[in-house]
Amino acid sequence: DAGVTQSPTHLIKTRGQQVTLRCSPKSGHDTVSWYQQALGQGPQFIFQYYEEEERQRGNFPDRFSGHQFPNYSSELNVNALLLGDSALYLCASSSPLAGGPGNNEQFFGPGTRLTVL
Amino acid sequence: DAKTTQPNSMESNEEEPVHLPCNHSTISGTDYIHWYRQLPSQGPEYVIHGLTSNVNNRMASLAIAEDRKSSTLILHRATLRDAAVYYCILRDVVTGGFKTIFGAGTRLFVKA
Repeated sequence: DAGVTQSPTHLIKTRGQQVTLRCSPKSGHDTVSWYQQALGQGPQFIFQYYEEEERQRGNFPDRFSGHQFPNYSSELNVNALLLGDSALYLCASSSPLAGGPGNNEQFFGPGTRLTVL
Repeated sequence: DAKTTQPNSMESNEEEPVHLPCNHSTISGTDYIHWYRQLPSQGPEYVIHGLTSNVNNRMASLAIAEDRKSSTLILHRATLRDAAVYYCILRDVVTGGFKTIFGAGTRLFVKA
């Protein structure tokens, strides 16, 4: 059973460009969350997608947008890249039916390392 | 969102028990306590979670204070593979929605 996969592994962009990151959830999972992790810090929640809609959003500008497809895979798009967008972008999948009360355990992918020059 | 406080780093010897503390004095009645860890060059992975009672699983034990204002993750026998950043997280599954708020975590160093 493949876990959460993300592509690409690494990416280098320049300021002002746009980037699209991709995530395939763990088999059987229908919910995808995206996180940004700057060096030396914990992951910061960007947003979560469920049933192809954004269900909740963290404190990130509208330059960050996403999409979920009918097969539950997801994309994260970032427009007008800034130097400060350089980070590890993590995707996590979960299923509300798994894990018992209060769990909703998230399975994380290995991340996409984005460098903005 | 209720906040957690953890030491920046801790050190342990291999094959000895490790107690990782977490303070969460503003915890609400509907907050579950979750622990995740992040090994080098990997995404975080779930370790354990609980509400009021102590919990055990194959990876670790979670001891929750009676007033729930603090908790301790216990690794019974640390191995070199347990060297990671450990995150203590509160998740209010009733009113807090679906986001998971990570702090800076505790970096655990394990000495051979």
